[in-house]
Order: sequence, then C-alpha cells, then structure tokens
Amino acid sequence: EVQLVESGGGLVQPGGSLRLSCAPSGFTFGIYSMTWVRQAPGKGLEWVANIKQDGSEKYYVDSVKGRFTISRDNAKNSLYLQMNSLRTEDTAVYYCARENGGSTNFDYWGQGTPVTVSS
Amino acid sequence: SYVLTQPPSVSVAPGQTARITCGENNIGSESVHWYQQKPGQAPVLVVYDDSDRPSGIPERFSGSNSGNTATLTISRVEAGDEADYFCQVWDSSGDHHVVFGGGTKLTVL
Repeated sequence: EVQLVESGGGLVQPGGSLRLSCAPSGFTFGIYSMTWVRQAPGKGLEWVANIKQDGSEKYYVDSVKGRFTISRDNAKNSLYLQMNSLRTEDTAVYYCARENGGSTNFDYWGQGTPVTVSS
Repeated sequence: SYVLTQPPSVSVAPGQTARITCGENNIGSESVHWYQQKPGQAPVLVVYDDSDRPSGIPERFSGSNSGNTATLTISRVEAGDEADYFCQVWDSSGDHHVVFGGGTKLTVL
C-alpha cells in the first residue's frame, strides 16, 4: 500500500525556519518525481515545488523562490522542504504528493502537516 | 500562465447529475486532472488526463475537455460525493508550474 507521511510542521515566528519531511512507503521512491502542495486555511490548493526522480531538476512557485528548498534522499526514502524566511502568508497545511509517472497529476497524497507562521 | 476558473459552488439533488467546469483559454490542448477533497482530508485524484479514472473511483465520475472548458461530471450523485473539487493542469508554457483551479464546493441537497 502506498503511503506518504509528512512531519515537521508547527508554529514558527515570522522570519523563522522549518524543515518538513515526507516519508514514503509502498513504492519505489527513487523512480517518481515528487511535489509539495499547500492549502491555506479555508482556501484552495497551491502547488509549492517539485523535484525530479534524481533531484536534478527542481521548480518552485514564484512566491517561495529563494526562501524554500525542495530536496530528496533516495537512499533514505525521504523528501524534504526547507522553509526559510517564513511569512504569515505561508501558513497552511503542507502536503507531499507523488507525481503519476508519465502523466502530470498526483496520484497519492499524504495527510498533510500544518504550518503556522505567527508572532 | 494559466488561471483556471471554477464556479465556487454547485448544488444538486441526490440521484441527479452534477457538472463542475474548469475554464481557461484553450484548456482543451492540455491534460486536465480532477481531485476530490472532503473536510479534514487530503485530496483524492478522481479523474486524470481529461477522462480517465484511477482504480477504485466509481464509474459515476467522468470527465471531458474541449475548447475553453473542462468538465467533471458526477452521475447519480450521492450524499457522500459532497466535497470540494479542484481541477489541475501542468503549465507547459515553460515554467514547469502546476496550476490548480480555485475549487468548487459540491452540495448535495
């Protein structure tokens, strides 16, 4: 069974940092591109970043460029999102999701980890 | 880049057909995917590549995409279908960005 489990969320002050992790299981992690998607309270889904299978290509939504870094460790079966210079508008539930190989959709999602940026 | 427009809400009686649209200029040239999200839960893929269904998704869920509008159709709507629905495309313009629609709240009357 495919599972994605996020961790690392919490309360942080504006300007602070957090590192989110995603632990996949039930599939060969290293052959899938992965994505982070967030959802602010009461709002819709917003794609944040994605990373190719070998980590060679990474892409970000403009609002997080230069502040967030997506990375992966295929040997450790882990996906990460390093979030620096956090702003109140980064408050959201952060989901990791698997990109459906060969297509451009997300076939499996974690349950999400909440991030609150507040003083 | 794409801006996907969805109606904020759609209401339908049980047993009827719900149609949720996702609009953008020439969206018919892209693959559109649809997600269902119930309160407090993660999104679930219900239709991909315009009209394909993942395993485990009922045949009542179908999709189409042509011209400037993609449509998610839910036939014989059940109370359990009440949820938010989001369309999604991959912006192939060169930015490698993913775009979601604003979401549609489906209410089963």
